[in-house]
Amino acid sequence: DGGITQSPKYLFRKEGQNVTLSCEQNLNHDAMYWYRQDPGQGLRLIYYSQIVNDFQKGDIAEGYSVSREKKESFPLTVTSAQKNPTAFYLCASSIASVQGGDTQYFGPGTRLTVL
Amino acid sequence: AQTVTQSQPEMSVQEAETVTLSCTYDTSESDYYLFWYKQPPSRQMILVIRQEAYKQQNATENRFSVNFQKAAKSFSLKISDSQLGDAAMYFCAYRSSFGTSYGKLTFGQGTILTVHP
Repeated sequence: DGGITQSPKYLFRKEGQNVTLSCEQNLNHDAMYWYRQDPGQGLRLIYYSQIVNDFQKGDIAEGYSVSREKKESFPLTVTSAQKNPTAFYLCASSIASVQGGDTQYFGPGTRLTVL
Repeated sequence: AQTVTQSQPEMSVQEAETVTLSCTYDTSESDYYLFWYKQPPSRQMILVIRQEAYKQQNATENRFSVNFQKAAKSFSLKISDSQLGDAAMYFCAYRSSFGTSYGKLTFGQGTILTVHP
């Protein structure tokens, strides 16, 4: 089945540790995105990538890093510099188009908790 | 920067009745896209409906329809014949068509919809 997978579903991290969240898609989409969701709030964009080997910062990129070495994969690293990383993280993908209106489809999310 | 506002933190509806969720946005752009997403307890974000700003006709998807008022910058979602499975958090989202905000989705705070049997 085509879709977006995220792993792990739940992740626990000790303070001072870096952790990497996985996002893989087999939809042949060019663009991929990472969002953060805090309780009772909407999603905020962390990073996005319109093409392999290129990515841009979103609204809340501080303390996060990404890579886009393959079209199918867009891993997110939460570094120790991120002061409040406990949140729900959602990955999305879409066809990249000139007009920019293509629908983003989301993965099931990863719940990160800092102990 | 664009902003999206959902003024109703919570709404409720009886099964089989109709409910309308409100959304307003602020932008200086003339061409953009608007979306409604549904997030059930599983937390998977599911696209409900999409509207292109250059289209005057309101989008419709089965029991879901929108009232898009471009001049008023309003984008409400109407759910007809509500079902128990419609219970979820609903998010309104804005997407630019060009410029430095290209491809970025800006979300509202969400509205929790409860459906009573």
